[in-house]
Amino acid sequence: GAVVSQHPSWVICKSGTSVKIECRSLDFQATTMFWYRQFPKQSLMLMATSNEGSKATYEQGVEKDKFLINHASLTLSTLTVTSAHPEDSSFYICSAGPSMNTEAFFGQGTRLTVV
Amino acid sequence: EDQVTQSPEALRLQEGESSSLNCSYTVSGLRGLFWYRQDPGKGPEFLFTLYSAGEEKEKERLKATLTKKESFLHITAPKPEDSATYLCAVQAPGTYKYIFGTGTRLKVLA
Repeated sequence: GAVVSQHPSWVICKSGTSVKIECRSLDFQATTMFWYRQFPKQSLMLMATSNEGSKATYEQGVEKDKFLINHASLTLSTLTVTSAHPEDSSFYICSAGPSMNTEAFFGQGTRLTVV
Repeated sequence: EDQVTQSPEALRLQEGESSSLNCSYTVSGLRGLFWYRQDPGKGPEFLFTLYSAGEEKEKERLKATLTKKESFLHITAPKPEDSATYLCAVQAPGTYKYIFGTGTRLKVLA
């Protein structure tokens, strides 16, 4: 299957600082990538759809100014959590696929802890 | 409203004890149904894609089936390494977004 790589795997930051998470498609090009958030023992919640060369589309209730998404190339999307607070602590996961009509592949996830 | 429901929430099996996980969906025109396995602290790992009722896919001890209303993930003679959370997702028409179920946490005891 296709490979999606996410970095870092975990990060600890101080309250008020910003954190950037990278999502790369290693062996295919992805015009669209998805960003999810997952709370303990819960399922994946879609946060936004990242579109190469254009603005991201955010799900209802997701603050676009807090979660900045940049999809500057066909193999890289970044999620920046701005002015992070403890309530932003969570597991963030990205996904992408070689085709929008077939299965998506997920990154390893990033555990964000805000202290 | 498009919805995916998985049952049971949690399942404990003895090694070798076969069972099935259920994924029920309500979506106006299914584009695809996907099964993933997720280990703690990791991203979901792709298992199967099913597109139409009657379709079946197999991989080692796992077999996925699809009807017009639900999908089953059958686990035959499971081993402890099959312990994980199994997630089901559907792709609704007119969108490439996935709608995920809440998952089934499977524990296989040696």
